[in-house]
Amino acid sequence: DIVMTQTPLSLSVTPGQPASISCKSSQSLLHSDGKTYLYWYLQKPGQPPQLLIYEVSNRFSGVPDRFSGSGSGTDFTLKISRVEAEDVGVYYCMQSIQLPLFTFGPGTKVDIK
Amino acid sequence: EVQLVESGGGLVQPGRSLRLSCAASGFTFDDYAMHWVRQAPGKGLEWVSGISWNSGSIGYADSVKGRFTISRDNAKNSLYLQMNSLRAEDTALYYCAKSNRWELLRAAFDIWGQGTMVTVSS
Repeated sequence: DIVMTQTPLSLSVTPGQPASISCKSSQSLLHSDGKTYLYWYLQKPGQPPQLLIYEVSNRFSGVPDRFSGSGSGTDFTLKISRVEAEDVGVYYCMQSIQLPLFTFGPGTKVDIK
Repeated sequence: EVQLVESGGGLVQPGRSLRLSCAASGFTFDDYAMHWVRQAPGKGLEWVSGISWNSGSIGYADSVKGRFTISRDNAKNSLYLQMNSLRAEDTALYYCAKSNRWELLRAAFDIWGQGTMVTVSS
């Protein structure tokens, strides 16, 4: 099974400053079709998760452009260019290349200083 | 408006059964795979089960395999999760999630419901 790890597990950010979260997978998420199946979600307090980024670097509909994803193979990064108060919550990376599991990372809790 | 509404959660004794439902609206239900994802209190997200658009492909997490059964009724725009032999460790908020693809794998969960709470306790 693929294991997803995230660093850091918590992050306190000053509004307007950048933030970065790393996600690593135990196996490559690159499929033979040329796509890499790594996703990012944000779960705001008291809400269900919401999709931010799909296939490493594509922003989902309505996601602000201050969010960006990058990486390849087994190493991935989510960046927030300028953190806003509404960005607080827990960020999860997820892989969907291999059954029997869609595997989530442990989550990175982001709060505002 | 695209919407997923879960129901059927509650308090149940260990070893008993429960059936969760998810009512979908605002999109063409039978064009997409569907999934259940759960979150134990204060914990992270765990994928539970998924089903392709025509029920031809189904998957389960090892933790629920043999105990849970996922199904869908495209005529009713509904997704189900039959949970048998429930254990204390199944206690969680269960989310219904829409896939962005018709097949099971290589997909994102692009729409989520608010969840239904399942508590397994004597």
